[in-house]
Amino acid sequence: GAVVSQHPSWVICKSGTSVKIECRSLDFQATTMFWYRQFPKQSLMLMATSNEGSKATYEQGVEKDKFLINHASLTLSTLTVTSAHPEDSSFYICSAREQWGTPGRVKLFFGSGTQLSVL
Amino acid sequence: DAKTTQPTSMDCAEGRAANLPCNHSTISGNEYVYWYRQIHSQGPQYIIHGLKNNETNEMASLIITEDRKSSTLILPHATLRDTAVYYCIVRPGNTGGFKTIFGAGTRLFVKA
Repeated sequence: GAVVSQHPSWVICKSGTSVKIECRSLDFQATTMFWYRQFPKQSLMLMATSNEGSKATYEQGVEKDKFLINHASLTLSTLTVTSAHPEDSSFYICSAREQWGTPGRVKLFFGSGTQLSVL
Repeated sequence: DAKTTQPTSMDCAEGRAANLPCNHSTISGNEYVYWYRQIHSQGPQYIIHGLKNNETNEMASLIITEDRKSSTLILPHATLRDTAVYYCIVRPGNTGGFKTIFGAGTRLFVKA
């Protein structure tokens, strides 16, 4: 099956620093990628939709200047958490949609997630 | 997106079938039912999806009621490794957008 690689798996950083998370579709092209965050014992919360070559679409309540998303190619999207603070500590997950597919056969593939801990 | 309702948690004995229900009474005609699961500290894993016919693959079976207002995911022989949170999601099957919203899911505990 299709593979989405997310890097790094975990990161610890100091408060005030910026952290970049990469999401790559390894064997398919993804015009659309999605970024989620998940707090302990909670469900995934959609943060934004990343479209190749255009600006990301953010969900209500998600600060676009805080969470910078870049989707410069069909296989790579990045999420940068700027000036991270302890409340940004969370599990961040990306997903990618295959570019081509008949209705119903389009699948989403998820990365393995990145655990961010801000001290 | 249509909303789904799932039990918060379920137990299942190892080797037995696990039947996970999902209600999606407001599902639209063009919306598919998808199931994902998430094992602790990992990204969600696709299991199966369907529109109106029952579906089966190597992981599970999906039974959708005739009125499409509910469905059941069946793991025929649950193992300890099937312990996870299972998410039932409905969304349009078109090629645009494809935004996926997760509900609370069902925590399945498979016990030896």
